[in-house]
Amino acid sequence: NAGVTQTPKFRILKIGQSMTLQCTQDMNHNYMYWYRQDPGMGLKLIYYSVGAGITDKGEVPNGYNVSRSTTEDFPLRLELAAPSQTSVYFCASSLTGDTEAFFGQGTRLTVV
Amino acid sequence: QQQVKQSPQSLIVQKGGISIINCAYENTAFDYFPWYQQFPGKGPALLIAIRPDVSEKKEGRFTISFNKSAKQFSLHIMDSQPGDSATYFCAASTSSGSRLTFGEGTQLTVNP
Repeated sequence: NAGVTQTPKFRILKIGQSMTLQCTQDMNHNYMYWYRQDPGMGLKLIYYSVGAGITDKGEVPNGYNVSRSTTEDFPLRLELAAPSQTSVYFCASSLTGDTEAFFGQGTRLTVV
Repeated sequence: QQQVKQSPQSLIVQKGGISIINCAYENTAFDYFPWYQQFPGKGPALLIAIRPDVSEKKEGRFTISFNKSAKQFSLHIMDSQPGDSATYFCAASTSSGSRLTFGEGTQLTVNP
């Protein structure tokens, strides 16, 4: 029972590089979320999706893009990485908006 | 109206004491109120959740108290243990499909 799987676990990017953070879930959940968590801080919602083909911005979407072509996958794309994007990124999924959200283990990203 | 405000930001409690974390919300449409627990290096995990048809829910040493008229809910940890040291997040959403909105988090330290 894998749950929510994020890859990679760690990554160092140079300023201006791009990358995609992968997230996949095997629970057939409709809702998927991307959060970032800065040291000692709370969870800030970047993007979320309520189903395949449907995405919406959260609190801090600038510098990021997402797509949801399948129920299982919700990749997060960083274009032109900046030091301000150094953070831990969490993907999560839930069946509906008012049921338990399951989180991945996180991706620790450093932009230098 | 999507905000959930959480306090305190940090809390230090002696072993065996009671830990209390409070949250307040504005959106009266919220009808699902979970609490998540996060250990260092891990993703958050659901601890306990309540819906507004009850004023209290207890699971072991963890209790949620809910005050609909005041638009507040709180987490009480009885007989706090060093293993409870973690960051706690309150959250809220609606059964009609809104996204999960998190509070800012409380870092709890339980001293032995």
